[in-house]
Amino acid sequence: EIVLTQSPNTMAASPGEKVTITCRASSSVSYMYWYQQMSDASPKLWIYDTSKLASGVPDRFSGSGSGTSYSLTINTMEAEDAATYYCQQCCSTPFTFGSGTKLEIK
Amino acid sequence: EVKLLESGGGLVQPGGSMRLSCAASGFTFTDFYMNWIRQPAGKAPEWLGFIRNKANGYTTEYNPSVKGRFTISRDNTQNMLYLQMNTLRAEDTATYYCARGVGYNYYFDYWGQGVMVTVSS
Repeated sequence: EIVLTQSPNTMAASPGEKVTITCRASSSVSYMYWYQQMSDASPKLWIYDTSKLASGVPDRFSGSGSGTSYSLTINTMEAEDAATYYCQQCCSTPFTFGSGTKLEIK
Repeated sequence: EVKLLESGGGLVQPGGSMRLSCAASGFTFTDFYMNWIRQPAGKAPEWLGFIRNKANGYTTEYNPSVKGRFTISRDNTQNMLYLQMNTLRAEDTATYYCARGVGYNYYFDYWGQGVMVTVSS
């Protein structure tokens, strides 16, 4: 099973601040996927194929990485970005998720 | 518009059984793999398994953590997905989601709103 380690576990950012969340895989994967989960809501696909934004996702978000190291970046933090973000590996079963990064607004 | 709507959750005693349902609409159901994913409160999602699409014979694959206790099935005439859960344990308490699976590099593009399952005496 591929284990995904996200960091940080929690963080707070001010409006306009740049935010980076990392996801490290225990084995190399071809792509990484990211989901946003608001409180009491289901996860939503946010970034697919490592760097492609899902429909409706603001372009202040970006994704990058390869092999065992991936990241999600918010260029300028906005209040509506406060949520928990999970990474997910695509490439071997059981498909696994990271433990999540809870992002709060300062 | 793709919609996934789970039902059938609630309270069940340890050792009991429960069947969850997921009604799908807004897409050609038989074209897609369908998944069950669960999420204990405050924790990360856990993929439970999928059932393949028509082109791949509707076969199933499970997470070893639930293999042998959980069974995924589908009714393609009704666009329904099911999760039969047996020998339930306290650690099965979670919100259960159905999700559509896509891509050769596999991910979940649509999720239902989830249904809560509580295993407790």
